[in-house]
Amino acid sequence: DAGVTQSPTHLIKTRGQQVTLRCSPKSGHDTVSWYQQALGQGPQFIFQYYEEEERQRGNFPDRFSGHQFPNYSSELNVNALLLGDSALYLCASSLLGSRGTYEQYFGPGTRLTVT
Amino acid sequence: KNEVEQSPQNLTAQEGEFITINCSYSVGISALHWLQQHPGGGIVSLFMLSSGKKKHGRLIATINIQEKHSSLHITASHPRDSAVYICAVIPMGAQKLVFGQGTRLTINP
Repeated sequence: DAGVTQSPTHLIKTRGQQVTLRCSPKSGHDTVSWYQQALGQGPQFIFQYYEEEERQRGNFPDRFSGHQFPNYSSELNVNALLLGDSALYLCASSLLGSRGTYEQYFGPGTRLTVT
Repeated sequence: KNEVEQSPQNLTAQEGEFITINCSYSVGISALHWLQQHPGGGIVSLFMLSSGKKKHGRLIATINIQEKHSSLHITASHPRDSAVYICAVIPMGAQKLVFGQGTRLTINP
């Protein structure tokens, strides 16, 4: 059983460009959350997708958008890249429990460098 | 002030020592995670708990909901335990994790 997978593992982009990161959830999971982790900081919640809808969103600008596909995989898109977008982007999947509490399983992350 | 505070931020110990990492939070929660992150970035969930105590091998996690405090203990520490340990909470009514800043643990042989 494959865990959460993310692609690519590393990416270098130039300011102003656009990037798409991909995540495949753990088998059986229906919810995908995206987090941004700047160097030396804890991860920050970007947004969460469930049933192909954005369920909740953190304090990130509209340049950050996402999508969830019918097979529960997800994409994170970032437009008009800034130097400050350089970070490790983590995807986590979970199965939304009846009480709304759930354990999240993390992917290995995509390290994005913006030059 | 962050909603989730960890202490200490950095901890260096000798192999075999008993390790305690603390986490305090300021919001009502439905659950709390302890996570481990190795260099290179991958995060592994160690525990999710909403009350009491959980044990897995040499790792023990406790939580006191009334005091809004959790601790992660490592017994008989080993150099392979060296990593960043992160406390993250699920705020009541939310569907996201709110993370502490992490504790960098180094265990010397």
